[in-house]
Amino acid sequence: AQSVTQPDIHITVSEGASLELRCNYSYGATPYLFWYVQSPGQGLQLLLKYFSGDTLVQGIKGFEAEFKRSQSSFNLRKPSVHWSDAAEYFCAVVQETSGSRLTFGEGTQLTVNP
Amino acid sequence: EPEVTQTPSHQVTQMGQEVILRCVPISNHLYFYWYRQILGQKVEFLVSFYNNEISEKSEIFDDQFSVERPDGSNFTLKIRSTKLEDSAMYFCASSGLDDEQFFGPGTRLTVL
Repeated sequence: AQSVTQPDIHITVSEGASLELRCNYSYGATPYLFWYVQSPGQGLQLLLKYFSGDTLVQGIKGFEAEFKRSQSSFNLRKPSVHWSDAAEYFCAVVQETSGSRLTFGEGTQLTVNP
Repeated sequence: EPEVTQTPSHQVTQMGQEVILRCVPISNHLYFYWYRQILGQKVEFLVSFYNNEISEKSEIFDDQFSVERPDGSNFTLKIRSTKLEDSAMYFCASSGLDDEQFFGPGTRLTVL
């Protein structure tokens, strides 16, 4: 069964600092990979996705992620964090089949210090 | 931009009561999903629905749960007899053929 691991439960960074959130997946084939963001009391907003092709994908709000097959990782990065980026971030994977379930990681709570 | 909508935003019910959570998926999408998130925990898959039938369900989705697409626009989740442990945020999602799932804002269900 596929699984997603986000090793960092909580990360604190200063505004303007760079950010990297880690995500590892366990799946036999190349999955479809996603990062979602959830602000307090809100739904899930898609930041970016990887289906195939270029392993560095750009998303909204200045985020990017890199798929590394050899490490089974899909880490999320941002060069300069803004206070409004404080939220919970979820990595997710879906099988390469239409209509398949998303499997989410445990989430990483990001705190941004002024 | 098209979006998934859900009603109500917050539902409070007594244990043992039936609840129906409603969703309007994006109009040209084919696949529909329900997920839930217990407070402080990760998002968990409940069920997926395609071509008017359940295509996949998790172990959470027992006989107390059912889904329906009663017309061309709505997608509902019914919990027949709610338990305290059903208290959670319930998210509806929909997708087309490209596997990008769009989520609604959620319904917070509180079972007393």
